[in-house]
Amino acid sequence: AQSVTQLGSHVSVSEGALVLLRCNYSSSVPPYLFWYVQYPNQGLQLLLKYTTGATLVKGINGFEAEFKKSETSFHLTKPSAHMSDAAEYFCAVSEGGGADGLTFGKGTHLIIQP
Amino acid sequence: SAVISQKPSRDICQRGTSLTIQCQVDSQVTMMFWYRQQPGQSLTLIATANQGSEATYESGFVIDKFPISRPNLTFSTLTVSNMSPEDSSIYLCSASGGGNQPQHFGDGTRLSIL
Repeated sequence: AQSVTQLGSHVSVSEGALVLLRCNYSSSVPPYLFWYVQYPNQGLQLLLKYTTGATLVKGINGFEAEFKKSETSFHLTKPSAHMSDAAEYFCAVSEGGGADGLTFGKGTHLIIQP
Repeated sequence: SAVISQKPSRDICQRGTSLTIQCQVDSQVTMMFWYRQQPGQSLTLIATANQGSEATYESGFVIDKFPISRPNLTFSTLTVSNMSPEDSSIYLCSASGGGNQPQHFGDGTRLSIL
């Protein structure tokens, strides 16, 4: 069975500082990995995805994530935080790509300090 | 990416009643899914909506409580039956082209049961 662990239910960074949100997964097959962002009272927006190929994945809004198989990790980073980045971030895994439902982590609430 | 519209966006219902949530995609998609997000929690997959056949439910979710229809490749409904306060959640629809395609989400339906 697949699972996702997100370390830190809340992460606080200063505006302009590095953002690092941690995600570790468990999967019995090569996984498909995703990061989604949820703004208040909205649905989920896809930030980026890893399927196959290049392990460093670039997404929208300056975010990127690196797939590290040896560490079973898919951490999300952004070099410089902006106030508009304040939101809930979810890491998700699927063993069947778009044909399977997603298993989500518990989410990380990102707080940006001015 | 597909644009997904859900109706209603929110509702307040009496216990014991049922509500049907509609999900419309602006293009034909292979896969559609329904998720529940309980207050302050992550997303949990309810079922995969299969076109022309019965939905595939995850453990803990049953057809009598959450009947799902998918009459074509762009539309699905989820009914929450015999509602109780414990059903107060956000219900989200997602769609994917299958394969390596990621899931895209609607804005969700915010349901409160009195």
